[in-house]
Amino acid sequence: NAGVTQTPKFQVLKTGQSMTLQCAQDMNHNSMYWYRQDPGMGLRLIYYSASEGTTDKGEVPNGYNVSRLNKREFSLRLESAAPSQTSVYFCASSEGGVGGYTEAFFGQGTRLTVV
Amino acid sequence: DQQVKQNSPSLSVQEGRISILNCDYTNSMFDYFLWYKKYPAEGPTFLISISSIKDKNEDGRFTVFLNKSAKHLSLHIVPSQPGDSAVYFCAASLEGEYGNKLVFGAGTILRVKS
Repeated sequence: NAGVTQTPKFQVLKTGQSMTLQCAQDMNHNSMYWYRQDPGMGLRLIYYSASEGTTDKGEVPNGYNVSRLNKREFSLRLESAAPSQTSVYFCASSEGGVGGYTEAFFGQGTRLTVV
Repeated sequence: DQQVKQNSPSLSVQEGRISILNCDYTNSMFDYFLWYKKYPAEGPTFLISISSIKDKNEDGRFTVFLNKSAKHLSLHIVPSQPGDSAVYFCAASLEGEYGNKLVFGAGTILRVKS
């Protein structure tokens, strides 16, 4: 049981390049999330998807787009990378659902550097 | 506007003693609170949680206390062990139109000295 799998684990981009971070979960969870972690800022929510077919903005959505491809997969796209997007990105999933709560499970993270 | 605050960036404790990590929040609509633990180069892992209708939850060496009137929660680790050295994140759940969102604090680095 792999849990939440993120690819790639490391990436270096030049300013203006685009890329997609991939995330897949095998726990049949409804909700999926993308966070970024920066020193002194904790984990900040970029986008989330409460269920297949829905997405919504979090605290820091600017410069990012997401796609909930199916129940298992939730991708994060940087259309034109900027140095301010240098960060560690975490994908997470939870059983979710409106009106109920269960804890979120996290992937190992993607360390992205934009030069 | 940080809705979940962990005002202590770091904490150092002797092995066997109690570790107390604190967290404050500003949004009274939060209905569930969680603590996560994170080791370097790994994703955060769930540690313990508490519903807003309770004031205490215990799991082995870990106890979380919630004071709703003060909008404050704390994590107690007794006794502390060197393997507990990690970053601890406090998180709060907010129900939105499309489901629950987790809001995290900045984290506290705990060092347990042997």
